[in-house]
Amino acid sequence: DAKTTQPPSMDCAEGRAANLPCNHSTISGNEYVYWYRQIHSQGPQYIIHGLKNNETNEMASLIITEDRKSSTLILPHATLRDTAVYYCIVRVGNQFYFGTGTSLTVIP
Amino acid sequence: DSGVTQTPKHLITATGQRVTLRCSPRSGDLSVYWYQQSLDQGLQFLIQYYNGEERAKGNILERFSAQQFPDLHSELNLSSLELGDSALYFCASSGLASSYEQYFGPGTRLTVT
Repeated sequence: DAKTTQPPSMDCAEGRAANLPCNHSTISGNEYVYWYRQIHSQGPQYIIHGLKNNETNEMASLIITEDRKSSTLILPHATLRDTAVYYCIVRVGNQFYFGTGTSLTVIP
Repeated sequence: DSGVTQTPKHLITATGQRVTLRCSPRSGDLSVYWYQQSLDQGLQFLIQYYNGEERAKGNILERFSAQQFPDLHSELNLSSLELGDSALYFCASSGLASSYEQYFGPGTRLTVT
């Protein structure tokens, strides 16, 4: 069922940009890419979403390749509180297909 | 705090038993989603209700059922429990049937012994 592929873990130095990649090579033209994160075992938290244009909000930026087969979530200035599991999700209809996520550790 | 509440926080029960998990969506949200998160399966979508009607179904077992009541709260019923049903169960809500942002509750941790 998994429609996304992410590296299992990444480290990032505090204050630096964290770039989290995601592969979604089977995505269809009308399927959105979403990013959520989960801190410890809390409920996942929405970060950002996009279809084909790059998007930016107060939390992050989302860069989607022109062929839409991959995307990158950018946290511009990572803090210790950004340590979490980050999920890249393809939405099909009303269903979110969560992948296995990337465990990001921000190092002081 | 997302505004979504779930009860109970923890539940320990024996195999073969039946339990009910409860979710209250954010004020004004009409859509409720249920997810299961286990160590080996990750986060799996189970089912969605919108304004009392079932809207979408995911990997929900036949032993599991859900409903959404007129006051919009939802219940997930799990019966004939097996050890493999031990997991975190999350409820999420959104304003519309296909809203881009789902607000997740704190989850219910179910342990089947």
